[in-house]
Amino acid sequence: DAMVIQNPRYQVTQFGKPVTLSCSQTLNHNVMYWYQQKSSQAPKLLFHYYDKDFNNEADTPDNFQSRRPNTSFCFLDIRSPGLGDAAMYLCATSSDQYRGRYNEQFFGPGTRLTVL
Amino acid sequence: GQSLEQPSEVTAVEGAIVQINCTYQTSGFYGLSWYQQHDGGAPTFLSYNALDGLEETGRFSSFLSRSDSYGYLLLQELQMKDSASYFCAVRDTGGFKTIFGAGTRLFVKA
Repeated sequence: DAMVIQNPRYQVTQFGKPVTLSCSQTLNHNVMYWYQQKSSQAPKLLFHYYDKDFNNEADTPDNFQSRRPNTSFCFLDIRSPGLGDAAMYLCATSSDQYRGRYNEQFFGPGTRLTVL
Repeated sequence: GQSLEQPSEVTAVEGAIVQINCTYQTSGFYGLSWYQQHDGGAPTFLSYNALDGLEETGRFSSFLSRSDSYGYLLLQELQMKDSASYFCAVRDTGGFKTIFGAGTRLFVKA
Protein backbone atom coordinates (compact mmCIF):
# COMPACT_ATOMS: atom_id res chain seq x y z
CA ASP A 1 0.00 0.00 0.00
CA ALA A 2 1.12 3.52 -0.73
CA MET A 3 2.01 5.23 2.47
CA VAL A 4 4.02 7.67 4.54
CA ILE A 5 6.63 6.07 6.79
CA GLN A 6 8.43 7.70 9.66
CA ASN A 7 11.45 6.39 11.48
CA PRO A 8 12.01 5.96 14.28
CA ARG A 9 8.59 5.88 15.94
CA TYR A 10 10.14 6.80 19.26
CA GLN A 11 13.34 8.76 19.72
CA VAL A 12 15.04 9.64 22.97
CA THR A 13 17.84 12.17 22.93
CA GLN A 14 19.76 14.20 25.44
CA PHE A 15 19.48 17.90 25.87
CA GLY A 16 21.62 19.55 23.22
CA LYS A 17 22.41 16.35 21.32
CA PRO A 18 21.52 16.62 17.61
CA VAL A 19 18.85 14.31 16.32
CA THR A 20 17.50 13.48 12.87
CA LEU A 21 14.03 12.21 12.11
CA SER A 22 13.25 10.67 8.78
CA CYS A 23 10.22 10.41 6.56
CA SER A 24 9.70 8.49 3.36
CA GLN A 25 6.72 8.18 1.09
CA THR A 26 5.60 5.87 -1.69
CA LEU A 27 2.78 8.14 -2.85
CA ASN A 28 5.02 10.07 -5.22
CA HIS A 29 3.63 13.31 -3.85
CA ASN A 30 5.56 16.46 -4.60
CA VAL A 31 4.70 18.30 -1.39
CA MET A 32 6.08 17.20 1.98
CA TYR A 33 5.46 18.80 5.36
CA TRP A 34 6.85 18.64 8.87
CA TYR A 35 4.57 19.38 11.78
CA GLN A 36 5.22 19.56 15.50
CA GLN A 37 2.38 18.46 17.73
CA LYS A 38 2.41 18.79 21.49
CA SER A 39 -0.05 17.07 23.75
CA SER A 40 -3.66 18.15 23.20
CA GLN A 41 -2.61 20.81 20.73
CA ALA A 42 -3.00 21.32 17.02
CA PRO A 43 -0.29 20.24 14.61
CA LYS A 44 1.98 23.23 14.03
CA LEU A 45 3.56 23.53 10.61
CA LEU A 46 7.34 23.89 10.78
CA PHE A 47 8.10 23.91 7.04
CA HIS A 48 7.16 22.31 3.79
CA TYR A 49 8.73 21.46 0.46
CA TYR A 50 7.03 21.92 -2.87
CA ASP A 51 9.28 19.78 -5.03
CA LYS A 52 12.69 21.17 -4.09
CA ASP A 53 11.40 24.57 -3.02
CA PHE A 54 11.76 24.95 0.72
CA ASN A 55 9.17 26.99 2.63
CA ASN A 56 10.01 27.86 6.20
CA GLU A 57 7.41 29.17 8.61
CA ALA A 58 8.37 32.53 10.09
CA ASP A 59 8.13 31.28 13.66
CA THR A 60 10.05 28.03 13.17
CA PRO A 61 13.20 28.23 15.33
CA ASP A 62 16.58 28.12 13.59
CA ASN A 63 17.25 25.02 15.66
CA PHE A 64 15.06 23.11 13.19
CA GLN A 65 16.39 22.32 9.74
CA SER A 66 15.15 20.10 6.95
CA ARG A 67 16.53 18.30 3.93
CA ARG A 68 14.79 16.69 1.01
CA PRO A 69 17.35 14.80 -1.07
CA ASN A 70 14.74 13.37 -3.44
CA THR A 71 10.99 13.10 -3.93
CA SER A 72 10.61 10.17 -1.57
CA PHE A 73 12.61 11.26 1.46
CA CYS A 74 12.58 14.17 3.84
CA PHE A 75 14.55 14.69 7.04
CA LEU A 76 14.05 16.87 10.07
CA ASP A 77 17.21 17.86 11.90
CA ILE A 78 17.05 19.32 15.37
CA ARG A 79 20.47 20.75 15.99
CA SER A 80 20.32 21.29 19.75
CA PRO A 81 17.16 19.84 21.23
CA GLY A 82 15.78 21.54 24.28
CA LEU A 83 13.22 20.25 26.73
CA GLY A 84 10.59 22.32 24.95
CA ASP A 85 11.18 20.38 21.74
CA ALA A 86 9.73 17.19 23.19
CA ALA A 87 6.72 16.51 21.02
CA MET A 88 5.25 14.32 18.31
CA TYR A 89 6.72 15.14 14.91
CA LEU A 90 4.44 14.42 12.00
CA CYS A 91 5.42 14.15 8.39
CA ALA A 92 2.73 14.61 5.76
CA THR A 93 2.51 14.66 2.00
CA SER A 94 0.15 16.05 -0.59
CA SER A 95 -0.02 16.40 -4.33
CA ASP A 96 -0.38 19.54 -6.36
CA GLN A 97 -2.46 17.56 -8.83
CA TYR A 98 -5.52 18.99 -7.16
CA ARG A 99 -4.12 22.43 -6.58
CA GLY A 100 -6.96 24.88 -6.66
CA ARG A 101 -9.37 22.17 -5.59
CA TYR A 102 -8.27 20.57 -2.38
CA ASN A 103 -5.12 19.68 -0.56
CA GLU A 104 -5.67 16.40 1.24
CA GLN A 105 -2.65 15.65 3.36
CA PHE A 106 -1.53 12.13 4.13
CA PHE A 107 0.18 11.82 7.48
CA GLY A 108 2.75 9.37 8.70
CA PRO A 109 2.39 7.76 12.14
CA GLY A 110 4.71 10.31 13.72
CA THR A 111 7.92 10.18 15.74
CA ARG A 112 7.58 10.86 19.44
CA LEU A 113 10.65 12.72 20.62
CA THR A 114 11.70 12.69 24.24
CA VAL A 115 14.44 15.02 25.44
CA LEU A 116 16.22 14.11 28.66
CA GLY B 1 -3.59 37.21 13.08
CA GLN B 2 -4.86 33.92 11.84
CA SER B 3 -7.00 31.72 14.02
CA LEU B 4 -9.48 28.88 13.96
CA GLU B 5 -11.90 28.42 16.83
CA GLN B 6 -13.56 25.13 17.70
CA PRO B 7 -14.94 23.74 20.95
CA SER B 8 -12.39 21.93 23.08
CA GLU B 9 -14.56 18.92 23.74
CA VAL B 10 -17.95 17.43 22.99
CA THR B 11 -19.68 14.42 24.54
CA ALA B 12 -22.46 12.43 22.90
CA VAL B 13 -24.05 9.01 23.13
CA GLU B 14 -23.77 6.16 20.71
CA GLY B 15 -26.22 6.44 17.84
CA ALA B 16 -26.68 10.18 18.25
CA ILE B 17 -25.77 13.04 15.93
CA VAL B 18 -23.11 15.57 16.86
CA GLN B 19 -22.02 18.81 15.22
CA ILE B 20 -18.55 20.29 15.67
CA ASN B 21 -18.32 23.94 14.72
CA CYS B 22 -15.34 25.86 13.42
CA THR B 23 -14.99 29.57 12.84
CA TYR B 24 -11.93 30.95 11.16
CA GLN B 25 -10.14 34.20 10.69
CA THR B 26 -7.35 33.96 8.17
CA SER B 27 -5.63 36.31 5.78
CA GLY B 28 -6.78 34.21 2.84
CA PHE B 29 -9.09 31.30 2.35
CA TYR B 30 -8.77 28.42 -0.03
CA GLY B 31 -10.86 25.76 1.63
CA LEU B 32 -11.80 24.19 4.96
CA SER B 33 -10.74 20.64 5.75
CA TRP B 34 -11.50 18.28 8.59
CA TYR B 35 -9.15 15.68 10.05
CA GLN B 36 -9.70 12.94 12.61
CA GLN B 37 -6.98 11.87 15.02
CA HIS B 38 -7.22 8.98 17.45
CA ASP B 39 -5.02 8.99 20.54
CA GLY B 40 -1.48 8.11 19.57
CA GLY B 41 -2.35 8.06 15.89
CA ALA B 42 -1.84 10.30 12.91
CA PRO B 43 -4.45 12.70 11.57
CA THR B 44 -6.53 11.30 8.74
CA PHE B 45 -8.40 13.38 6.21
CA LEU B 46 -12.20 13.40 6.44
CA SER B 47 -13.57 16.09 4.17
CA TYR B 48 -13.00 19.35 2.37
CA ASN B 49 -15.19 22.33 1.46
CA ALA B 50 -14.11 25.08 -0.88
CA LEU B 51 -17.59 26.32 -1.77
CA ASP B 52 -20.62 27.07 0.37
CA GLY B 53 -22.86 24.17 1.16
CA LEU B 54 -22.90 20.66 2.45
CA GLU B 55 -20.59 17.80 1.46
CA GLU B 56 -21.65 14.31 2.51
CA THR B 57 -19.43 11.27 2.87
CA GLY B 58 -21.20 8.37 4.51
CA ARG B 59 -21.88 9.14 8.17
CA PHE B 60 -19.87 12.34 7.97
CA SER B 61 -20.97 15.63 6.45
CA SER B 62 -19.23 18.97 6.36
CA PHE B 63 -20.71 22.39 5.80
CA LEU B 64 -19.21 25.73 4.86
CA SER B 65 -20.45 29.30 4.83
CA ARG B 66 -17.72 31.54 3.50
CA SER B 67 -19.68 34.73 4.19
CA ASP B 68 -19.82 33.75 7.88
CA SER B 69 -16.29 32.30 7.98
CA TYR B 70 -17.90 29.26 9.53
CA GLY B 71 -18.08 25.57 8.97
CA TYR B 72 -19.07 22.44 10.79
CA LEU B 73 -18.55 18.72 10.78
CA LEU B 74 -21.63 16.59 11.34
CA LEU B 75 -21.25 13.03 12.54
CA GLN B 76 -24.31 10.80 12.38
CA GLU B 77 -25.07 7.41 13.92
CA LEU B 78 -22.20 7.86 16.33
CA GLN B 79 -20.10 4.82 17.13
CA MET B 80 -17.65 4.26 19.95
CA LYS B 81 -14.82 4.26 17.43
CA ASP B 82 -15.66 7.89 16.59
CA SER B 83 -14.16 8.92 19.92
CA ALA B 84 -11.19 10.97 18.74
CA SER B 85 -9.98 14.51 18.20
CA TYR B 86 -11.32 16.41 15.22
CA PHE B 87 -9.40 19.29 13.67
CA CYS B 88 -10.63 21.86 11.25
CA ALA B 89 -7.94 23.27 9.01
CA VAL B 90 -7.78 26.13 6.56
CA ARG B 91 -5.65 26.35 3.49
CA ASP B 92 -5.11 30.06 3.51
CA THR B 93 -3.68 30.73 0.07
CA GLY B 94 -3.21 29.08 -3.29
CA GLY B 95 -0.06 27.53 -1.86
CA PHE B 96 0.14 24.58 0.46
CA LYS B 97 0.26 26.03 3.94
CA THR B 98 -2.49 24.66 6.15
CA ILE B 99 -3.45 26.09 9.53
CA PHE B 100 -5.05 23.75 12.03
CA GLY B 101 -7.53 24.56 14.76
CA ALA B 102 -6.80 23.43 18.31
CA GLY B 103 -9.03 20.40 17.91
CA THR B 104 -12.26 19.15 19.43
CA ARG B 105 -12.08 16.04 21.53
CA LEU B 106 -15.20 13.92 20.99
CA PHE B 107 -16.23 11.43 23.65
CA VAL B 108 -18.84 8.88 22.61
CA LYS B 109 -20.59 7.14 25.50
CA ALA B 110 -22.55 3.91 25.43
